[in-house]
Amino acid sequence: TQLLEQSPQFLSIQEGENLTVYCNSSSVFSSLQWYRQEPGEGPVLLVTVVTGGEVKKLKRLTFQFGDARKDSSLHITAAQPGDTGLYLCAGAPHGQNFVFGPGTRLSVLP
Amino acid sequence: KAGVTQTPRYLIKTRGQQVTLSCSPISGHRSVSWYQQTPGQGLQFLFEYFSETQRNKGNFPGRFSGRQFSNSRSEMNVSTLELGDSALYLCASSSGTGVETQYFGPGTRLLVL
Repeated sequence: TQLLEQSPQFLSIQEGENLTVYCNSSSVFSSLQWYRQEPGEGPVLLVTVVTGGEVKKLKRLTFQFGDARKDSSLHITAAQPGDTGLYLCAGAPHGQNFVFGPGTRLSVLP
Repeated sequence: KAGVTQTPRYLIKTRGQQVTLSCSPISGHRSVSWYQQTPGQGLQFLFEYFSETQRNKGNFPGRFSGRQFSNSRSEMNVSTLELGDSALYLCASSSGTGVETQYFGPGTRLLVL
């Protein structure tokens, strides 16, 4: 059983469309991080959310941390081919090791 | 500031052999964590080293071991390789204190035949 679940597992969309991916857990996290990983490379940190209910914007990307700090979402507006990659959420539940979700593999077609 | 470097980038071994992977963290970072990434299991935490001491450990068998040197460089060793050890091995460095931002290296892709 994964501590962090992500949905959808795969997503293929056209350039210009909007999308949301989700990260859920039954555990409370003090913070959650979102990473993007491209083929052949290590994950690159996009954002860290710390406060329940927090919303952070990074250009066309909007990240939200749930009020109960058990879930998070990533919304991309007007997706571009450069957004293609594996999106991973990660965090450390209280007293436990850092864990990653299984990821959402996004493909944005031109 | 140079990023995290990992060597080698690619490696092919046969069952029963052993392998050592190396990771050089960002200058000034004292924590190095190792992860295994496979298509089936995703990213799984192996262990973390901080100031030459193992601080945390994941649920991997004793064939997986590591160490950290005084300059914070870290090595990971896998003995008696199995086919299922084929994976991308990633290391991540961080300062080792507070709410962590982990910076990942490009990984070492290991293929066990």
